Amino acid sequence: SAVISQKPSRDICQRGTSLTIQCQVDSQVTMMFWYRQQPGQSLTLIATANQGSEATYESGFVIDKFPISRPNLTFSTLTVSNMSPEDSSIYLCSVAAFFGQGTRLTVV
Amino acid sequence: AQSVTQLDSQVPVFEEAPVELRCNYSSSVSVYLFWYVQYPNQGLQLLLKYLSGSTLVKGINGFEAEFNKSQTSFHLRKPSVHISDTAEYFCAVTPGDNNNDMRFGAGTRLTVKP
Repeated sequence: SAVISQKPSRDICQRGTSLTIQCQVDSQVTMMFWYRQQPGQSLTLIATANQGSEATYESGFVIDKFPISRPNLTFSTLTVSNMSPEDSSIYLCSVAAFFGQGTRLTVV
Repeated sequence: AQSVTQLDSQVPVFEEAPVELRCNYSSSVSVYLFWYVQYPNQGLQLLLKYLSGSTLVKGINGFEAEFNKSQTSFHLRKPSVHISDTAEYFCAVTPGDNNNDMRFGAGTRLTVKP
């Protein structure tokens, strides 16, 4: 199993600002995944982050809104840009069927 | 592409009763199947997974699930539930090779009543 650490665990942000979420894994992995869980909803894949290449985004998600970095095989960041209240969700990092504890974002 | 349908959005049950949470999937390729539990204000915890081999999979907290390829199902069961099992349960599927993204069902809210 993989141990996945996410930071921050929660944040309250002003609309129009950006938040960067960090995900650290305790082993080297090729692919890392970012998911969004809107209030009362299931998980939706935002993008797949491969080390050394551009992230692959799912339909409905774009790089300008959710830029992703993958500088090495154990780390990734997801930025939620120009936030609006509709971005209030839990954002989760995943590796090989295991999930971090998530980042609970509230935009006011 | 793979998809998952969880047939029940809410399942109320009394303590010590058995429970079954239903999950059906669709896929044109072989799949791996998973069940997760999410307690309030927490992340996802893996309950169990089916990758290959025995179709009856045992997981944590007394849960088990059975993979039925002909019925494309992966129902989760527990013979006797506790109040502490109250949570949201998600079924998920991924293509049968490593490191692929996961598709989730809509979730089933299990409420265990005293």
